[in-house]
Order: sequence, then C-alpha cells, then structure tokens
Amino acid sequence: DIVMTQSPDSLAVSLGERATINCKSSQTVFSSSNNKNYLAWYQQKPGQPPKLLIYRASSRESGVPDRFSGSGSGTDFTLTISSLQAEDVAVYYCQQYYTTPKTFGPGTKVDIK
Amino acid sequence: EVQLVESGGGLVQPGGSLRLSCAASGLTFSSYWMGWVRQAPGKGLEWVANIKQDGSEKYYVDSVKGRFTISRDNAKNSLYLQMNILRADDTATYYCSRDQGALNAWGQGTQVTVSS
Repeated sequence: DIVMTQSPDSLAVSLGERATINCKSSQTVFSSSNNKNYLAWYQQKPGQPPKLLIYRASSRESGVPDRFSGSGSGTDFTLTISSLQAEDVAVYYCQQYYTTPKTFGPGTKVDIK
Repeated sequence: EVQLVESGGGLVQPGGSLRLSCAASGLTFSSYWMGWVRQAPGKGLEWVANIKQDGSEKYYVDSVKGRFTISRDNAKNSLYLQMNILRADDTATYYCSRDQGALNAWGQGTQVTVSS
C-alpha cells in the first residue's frame, strides 16, 4: 500500500497570511503514460463530510476559491492557502488515487493564530 | 445537485452484521464508480471500498476483505455495504462517495458503533 504522510500535524496562521501543508507519498503517484499525478486534497470542517478541493495535484475543483492551490509531482506535494480566511479553519487531507487502496494522509489541522 | 444519503447505521454487537445503504440523486448513478470511506471517532479518513459502474470490479482495503461486501443497484440508484463479523475497530462514520479517481461528492455519513 502507498503510505501518505503530512506535515505539519497542525498549524496556526494569522488571518490573511499564507498557510502551507506538505504531503509525501511512499511511492510515486505520477503516471508517465498521461503525465498526471493522482493526488487529491480535501477539506473537512467539524461535523461535516470532507470536500474535494484539488485533484490531479493542482487542478482546483469547481467552486473552490482561488486562494487554494496545489503543487508538486511524483512523491512530494503542497497545498497552499494564499490568504487564510476564518472559514478555512478545518482539517486538510491529501489522498493518493494512483492505486487501491486509495490511502489518505493523517490530516493537518489549520487554525487561526 | 448531487445528493448522497446514507442510512443503515446503528449499534451492533461484536461479530454482528449491518447493511449500509446510500441513495443517490442528481447524477446518472450508473455512469460512476462509487465507494465508501470511513472515519473513526476523532480520527482521520480511511478508504474502505469502491465498485465499478456495472459492479464487475470491486476493491477493498485489506482490513475489511472477506468481511465487507460492496454492491449496487443501478435501477434503484443505490449503493450498499454489507458488513459482517463486525469488530470494535469498525466503529466509525461511514461516508458514501462518488469516485472519479478523486472523491468529488460525499454524503453526510452514517454512524456505526460496534460494542457489547
């Protein structure tokens, strides 16, 4: 199975400042056949189901604010919130869907400083 | 708007069985892979299983293989998870999801508690 790790476990950022979350996979999730990274990011607010933010490492899901961006390739990925808003307080998960089981990272909790 | 509504959760004794259902609307259900993800209380997300559009392919996480069975009824726009030989560590909220590689639609979840 592909093991996903995230860092940090949690972070507190001032409103309007940048938040950066890292995700690493134990093996590549890049497909050379179609040049795609099978990596997604989800946001989960308390008491709610997860919500897809980013797919294919850097494609923003419809309706997701453009302050959310994803980058990286192969085994190392980053989710960036360019200007943190109060409504962004949540736990963020990365997930690989290169192969089953489609493993998730342990999550990163984002709070307001 | 896509709606996924889970049901069937509850309290069950260790070794018991439950069948979860997910009613889908707002999408052409038969066109999509579908799946289940669970979340133990206060813990992270765990992918459980998924199923191809026509039910011909099914995949499971190792911890549920041989105990859980995913199925679907495209005529009823419904997804199911038959859970047998339940254990305490199966206690979780179970989410139904549309699986397009990434999981781009989720239900609100149904709670399963395995306890004596």
